[in-house]
Amino acid sequence: QMQLQESGPGLVKPSQTLSLTCTVSGGSVTSGSYYWTWIRQPAGKGLEWIGRIYTTGSTNYSPSLKSRATISLDTSKNEFSLSLRSVTAADTAVYYCATEAIVGAHPYFYYMDVWGKGTTVIVSS
Amino acid sequence: DIQMTQSPSSLSASVGDRVTITCQASQDINNYLNWYQQKPGKAPKVLIYDASNLETGVPSRFSGSGSGTDFTFTISSLQAEDIATYYCQQYNDLITFGGGTKVEMK
Repeated sequence: QMQLQESGPGLVKPSQTLSLTCTVSGGSVTSGSYYWTWIRQPAGKGLEWIGRIYTTGSTNYSPSLKSRATISLDTSKNEFSLSLRSVTAADTAVYYCATEAIVGAHPYFYYMDVWGKGTTVIVSS
Repeated sequence: DIQMTQSPSSLSASVGDRVTITCQASQDINNYLNWYQQKPGKAPKVLIYDASNLETGVPSRFSGSGSGTDFTFTISSLQAEDIATYYCQQYNDLITFGGGTKVEMK
């Protein structure tokens, strides 16, 4: 049973870089069956997809965050990470890591099937 | 970018009621739509994938339909444990979530 756990600072100052890590257990980030994904949710608001990375290192990002976000893989530690530069108060949110499963045969189905519990990040001086 | 418009944003219903939520895409997304349930303080959970496929272990009172730009999510008989916020999500072009529908008990 795969499990994900987010970790990182809960408080980041404006203009600095938010850095989070997602540790994977019960599975491998080298698996070709998943995209490794970051999603966030401001308090009381909806879900916002940030981006994803595949085992090959290929990445996709939300157009609204593409200029500030970087997602990377560390196969030696079986984890993946998010960096978000130049943060403001608008980046305050619960950040989730998740797996986007690639299911079936062509055409494939894709859906987020395993989620971490989420970690709250507050941007404030 | 593909925009997903979900309605209503909230609704109130009684146990046993049929609940329907709609999701409209700004362009054709084929069947590439999923539905999630999120309870307060918890991560979302997938209920329906590819518009109409029930995820393993999800009760059969949940269902989804639609294709192209218009999709529907239905709870055939609302139960107390279904109180949650529901989100649609497209994956035809990257990923976009709808704004969510909060389902409350009347």
